[in-house]
Amino acid sequence: EAQVTQNPRYLITVTGKKLTVTCSQNMNHEYMSWYRQDPGLGLRQIYYSMNVEVTDKGDVPEGYKVSRKEKRNFPLILESPSPNQTSLYFCASRGAGGLEETQYFGPGTRLLVL
Amino acid sequence: QKEVEQDPGPLSVPEGAIVSLNCTYSNSAFQYFMWYRQYSRKGPELLMYTYSSGNKEDGRFTAQVDKSSKYISLFIRDSQPSDSATYLCAMIHNDYKLSFGAGTTVTVRA
Repeated sequence: EAQVTQNPRYLITVTGKKLTVTCSQNMNHEYMSWYRQDPGLGLRQIYYSMNVEVTDKGDVPEGYKVSRKEKRNFPLILESPSPNQTSLYFCASRGAGGLEETQYFGPGTRLLVL
Repeated sequence: QKEVEQDPGPLSVPEGAIVSLNCTYSNSAFQYFMWYRQYSRKGPELLMYTYSSGNKEDGRFTAQVDKSSKYISLFIRDSQPSDSATYLCAMIHNDYKLSFGAGTTVTVRA
């Protein structure tokens, strides 16, 4: 089954404690991205990657890091989480075809930073 | 000003009613226009996409684009309780970057 998986699905942490949210896709997609979803603001892109070892900032990259060492994986790293990073996070992937290519989203990771 | 504006609702309609959702945008460089549906505790899934101005139908769903007015709409006919979800409009530049509206939460009452 084609899918994007994220782990963990729920996470409670404290300010300053480094964490990583993993993302994996089994569709051999080149393009992967991370979004955060907040009430009233919709989905905002954090980082994206066009292929292995190619990453770039989205609209809200501050406080986040990513890496793309393998095509299937795109982890999101919060080096020193802060309460304003409490949010619902989605990983997504798409193929390298035209603009009409469907973007597939993972199930989401709900993060609470105390 | 946000690139994509969408009324967050919420919207509550009786079963069988027509649901009308819309978004406006400011960037004339947007090429493709999409509607995503997001059920509670799930990731968004693509419902429909359109490229040019005009209408596109898929079953009970109709997507409408008016590029001259920078306005897109989604209509759901004969709405069902299973249509209860958050609907997000999204638009894409030629750089593959998606810009989303805030999402409209729809409840269809049985």
